[in-house]
Amino acid sequence: NAGVTQTPKFQVLKTGQSMTLQCAQDMNHNSMYWYRQDPGMGLRLIYYSASEGTTDKGEVPNGYNVSRLNKREFSLRLESAAPSQTSVYFCASSEAGTGELFFGEGSRLTVL
Amino acid sequence: GENVEQHPSTLSVQEGDSAVIKCTYSDSASNYFPWYKQELGKGPQLIIDIRSNVGEKKDQRIAVTLNKTAKHFSLHITETQPEDSAVYFCAAITTWGGSYIPTFGRGTSLIVHP
Repeated sequence: NAGVTQTPKFQVLKTGQSMTLQCAQDMNHNSMYWYRQDPGMGLRLIYYSASEGTTDKGEVPNGYNVSRLNKREFSLRLESAAPSQTSVYFCASSEAGTGELFFGEGSRLTVL
Repeated sequence: GENVEQHPSTLSVQEGDSAVIKCTYSDSASNYFPWYKQELGKGPQLIIDIRSNVGEKKDQRIAVTLNKTAKHFSLHITETQPEDSAVYFCAAITTWGGSYIPTFGRGTSLIVHP
């Protein structure tokens, strides 16, 4: 009963490097989300995918791209990492119509 | 868009005391208000929620109240225990193009002293 699985859990990058955060859910949920969490700022929505084949920008999309690979998987890509992207990233999923989000355990990213 | 304000940012109580966390929201169309608990090193987890057709909901030691007219809702924890220590987030749900998009408050760090 894995729920939402994120990889990697920790990553250190140098400015300008690229990387992809992976997320997979096994609950057959339609909607998936990427949030970033910074001290004192709460959880801010980067991108979301209401259903397979659709993606939309959230509150803080600049510097990120996403891919909804299939119903299970939703990846977040940083093309050219910047120190301002140092954060903890959470993937979440929900069944359309319920509103309840199920979160992964987070991916801690440091950009030097 | 929706804006959610959450207070206080830090709350320190003695074991057995009550704790109250308050949130306000701006979008009168929001109709679902969940509360999440985040333990250290983990993702947030839903602990209780309330919908706009209900004024109060209780689950053992936790309760949530909603005042739609004033656009505020609160989390109440009674008989606090050390394991209640965590960060708590409120959220307001807005529907956008058929999707449910939660907007979160900035969080409250609750510390329960034994």
